[in-house]
Amino acid sequence: KQEVTQIPAALSVPEGENLVLNCSFTDSAIYNLQWFRQDPGKGLTSLLLIQSSQREQTSGRLNASLDKSSGRSTLYIAASQPGDSATYLCASLYNFNKFYFGSGTKLNVKP
Amino acid sequence: ETGVTQTPRHLVMGMTNKKSLKCEQHLGHNAMYWYKQSAKKPLELMFVYSLEERVENNSVPSRFSPECPNSSHLFLHLHTLQPEDSALYLCASSQEGVGATDTQYFGPGTRLTVL
Repeated sequence: KQEVTQIPAALSVPEGENLVLNCSFTDSAIYNLQWFRQDPGKGLTSLLLIQSSQREQTSGRLNASLDKSSGRSTLYIAASQPGDSATYLCASLYNFNKFYFGSGTKLNVKP
Repeated sequence: ETGVTQTPRHLVMGMTNKKSLKCEQHLGHNAMYWYKQSAKKPLELMFVYSLEERVENNSVPSRFSPECPNSSHLFLHLHTLQPEDSALYLCASSQEGVGATDTQYFGPGTRLTVL
């Protein structure tokens, strides 16, 4: 069974810092890897999706990388803002229609 | 309304009750999903429907019964639940059907409490 681990479980940083969230997965035979954001009491919002053939994806201040051989992905957030405070989840698509999720990193960006 | 909607947003029920969760997607997607999110645990996939056919049942107890009458609506019927079933139940949809590798769009969830 695919297992996805996220480190750290929680992170608190001052506004303006650049930060990195980590995600590791046990089986490298994935179709893609996706990063989501979850705000309290709300569903998940897709941030970035990296296909297995890609190394990274960028959207605004966010950059996600994928290293299948080592079973790792990172989400880089540049110049963090208080509005970035949320829980960030990574999920690997290991089989058709089936995402395996990590437990998330809860980020708090202090003004 | 746009996106994926879920009702009710909050539900409290006793162990002997029967209730249903509803999900509706307004995106014209072909696949719909039920997930369970328990405190301090990763999201768990429960069911997958593609074009109204169930294509995945992830070893979910029979006290959870899904129904997909058409490609826009998905229900989760609940009966004789246990307190450990208390969780956030999330619905999602994706454009592709069976064999999908595209992204999923999530609803806001139903917070279920079983007394």
